[in-house]
Amino acid sequence: ILNVEQSPQSLHVQEGDSTNFTCSFPSSNFYALHWYRWETAKSPEALFVMTLNGDEKKKGRISATLNTKEGYSYLYIKGSQPEDSATYLCASPGKAGTALIFGKGTTLSVSS
Amino acid sequence: SAVISQKPSRDICQRGTSLTIQCQVDSQVTMMFWYRQQPGQSLTLIATANQGSEATYESGFVIDKFPISRPNLTFSTLTVSNMSPEDSSIYLCSAADGSYEQYFGPGTRLTVT
Repeated sequence: ILNVEQSPQSLHVQEGDSTNFTCSFPSSNFYALHWYRWETAKSPEALFVMTLNGDEKKKGRISATLNTKEGYSYLYIKGSQPEDSATYLCASPGKAGTALIFGKGTTLSVSS
Repeated sequence: SAVISQKPSRDICQRGTSLTIQCQVDSQVTMMFWYRQQPGQSLTLIATANQGSEATYESGFVIDKFPISRPNLTFSTLTVSNMSPEDSSIYLCSAADGSYEQYFGPGTRLTVT
């Protein structure tokens, strides 16, 4: 059974701080790794889909890396802003074309 | 991309009653899924909604408790039957179009008293 783990569970930073979270997953039978940003009462927003070992993706101040050989991905936020406050989820499909298996998420709180 | 809407956005229900959640996608999609997130837990897959046939349920979820319909490629419903306080969760509908992307609705926040 695919098990996706995220750490830390929650994080509180000051505006302007840079931060990063970790997602770990089984390195065998890897298909893809998804990062989502989820704010209360809104749809989870897709940030990145990563498929290749060594992938690095960037969207504004947010970036992510992927290591499929050791089974982890990092999400980085540079210069955190209060609007970055949300829960960040990572997920991986059990096999191609199937539903996602999610970690419990990292809840980020950014204070000004 | 696909835009997904869900109704209702939230509800408070009494134990023993049932609630049907609707999920509408703005385009035809290959796959539709239903997830729930209980307090402090991961988003957990309930079932895959299959168009024109019975849904495929994950371990721990049964059709009598969570009947699902998918009459076409853009619409699905999930019913939470005979509710108990343990069913208090966020229920999310999602859709995939055969690419790597998977899109989510805004969720239905259910409280059972």
